[in-house]
Amino acid sequence: DGGITQSPKYLFRKEGQNVTLSCEQNLNHDAMYWYRQDPGQGLRLIYYSQIVNDFQKGDIAEGYSVSREKKESFPLTVTSAQKNPTAFYLCASSNAHLGPQHFGDGTRLSIL
Amino acid sequence: QQPVQSPQAVILREGEDAVINCSSSKALYSVHWYRQKHGEAPVFLMILLKGGEQKGHEKISASFNEKKQQSSLYLTASQLSYSGTYFCGTEIASGSRLTFGEGTQLTVNP
Repeated sequence: DGGITQSPKYLFRKEGQNVTLSCEQNLNHDAMYWYRQDPGQGLRLIYYSQIVNDFQKGDIAEGYSVSREKKESFPLTVTSAQKNPTAFYLCASSNAHLGPQHFGDGTRLSIL
Repeated sequence: QQPVQSPQAVILREGEDAVINCSSSKALYSVHWYRQKHGEAPVFLMILLKGGEQKGHEKISASFNEKKQQSSLYLTASQLSYSGTYFCGTEIASGSRLTFGEGTQLTVNP
């Protein structure tokens, strides 16, 4: 079945450490997105990519980095510059021009 | 700019109806609606396009008022399974990114 796979489901980060969250899709979607969700809050866009080798900053990109080397993959790195990384991170994908966004099951990131 | 959803929370008894609103200060191309259950990923419900008709299936439908830049989600004869947080996402141009509202928490009790 087609879908989006995020891993790991839970992740712990030590002070000063960079961590990478994986997102893979087999829906043949052009566009992929990373969102951050804090408890009781909505979805805030971190980065998005509409085509391979291209991506744009969202509303809260500081302290995060991404790459889009393959259509299927859009990993997110939470760098040590992100001082408050504890949140639920959601990856999504869609067709480039109008289409519902399909979400992965998310990664919960906490600080040790 | 983030769309504004109202109400922030609503509690229903099974079988009752609810309306959730999503308003934007910008002209919109489309409005998306999603439902998220606690600890899970959001699930797509429907898209409404500028100039499009009211959409829906079974007991969940939505409308888009272009003059007011507002969309409303209608849940009729609510079921326990309707509980969750409903988010609207707005798009200002075709293929642009979505901006999500803060969400409306809906609880349906027996």
